Amino acid sequence: DVKVTQSSRYLVKRTGEKVFLECVQDMDHENMFWYRQDPGLGLRLIYFSYDVKMKEKGDIPEGYSVSREKKERFSLILESASTNQTSMYLCASSFGALYYEQYFGPGTRLTVT
Amino acid sequence: SQQGEEDPQALSIQEGENATMNCSYKTSINNLQWYRQNSGRGLVHLILIRSNEREKHSGRLRVTLDTSKKSSSLLITASRAADTASYFCALMDSNYQLIWGAGTKLIIKP
Repeated sequence: DVKVTQSSRYLVKRTGEKVFLECVQDMDHENMFWYRQDPGLGLRLIYFSYDVKMKEKGDIPEGYSVSREKKERFSLILESASTNQTSMYLCASSFGALYYEQYFGPGTRLTVT
Repeated sequence: SQQGEEDPQALSIQEGENATMNCSYKTSINNLQWYRQNSGRGLVHLILIRSNEREKHSGRLRVTLDTSKKSSSLLITASRAADTASYFCALMDSNYQLIWGAGTKLIIKP
């Protein structure tokens, strides 16, 4: 079974703090993704990566950056957390071509106060 | 909006009944995927149906795709309490990005 793990299930941070969310997958998948999920809006893509050190912006990259130094690890960084970044953050990975199904981690519920 | 739109937003049925959820979209697609999300297991992939396919089955799940009507449906037969979850359709567009709907919340009553 594919396993995607995220560093925290729940996180509480203060406005202005720098926040790191980490994601690790154990199936040698080429592609990794970061989404945020808000009620009534479905999932929205923040960034994705199709190879080590490669990154592409998704639909809502503003206020976020990412890092992929190793194939199995994809980090999401909130440079200066704001209250409107309070959300559920989901990491996913997929094998090969981008049109294959994605495998998700359990999510990190981030609250910014 | 390219977002898939699920219908209904919420559905409550008795255990043993069938549940049908629909997804409509506006753009051309490469494929359409259905996912389930519950609090215990997070978001899990259920079925992927390609744009040149009309129907796919997986256990108690049946997915249909009508590209002329730009719609898909997910049928869960003989529902169980464990099927209680939110179900999402996700469209793979021509840029190979997944566009997600807001989901259908399914409750199975014992």
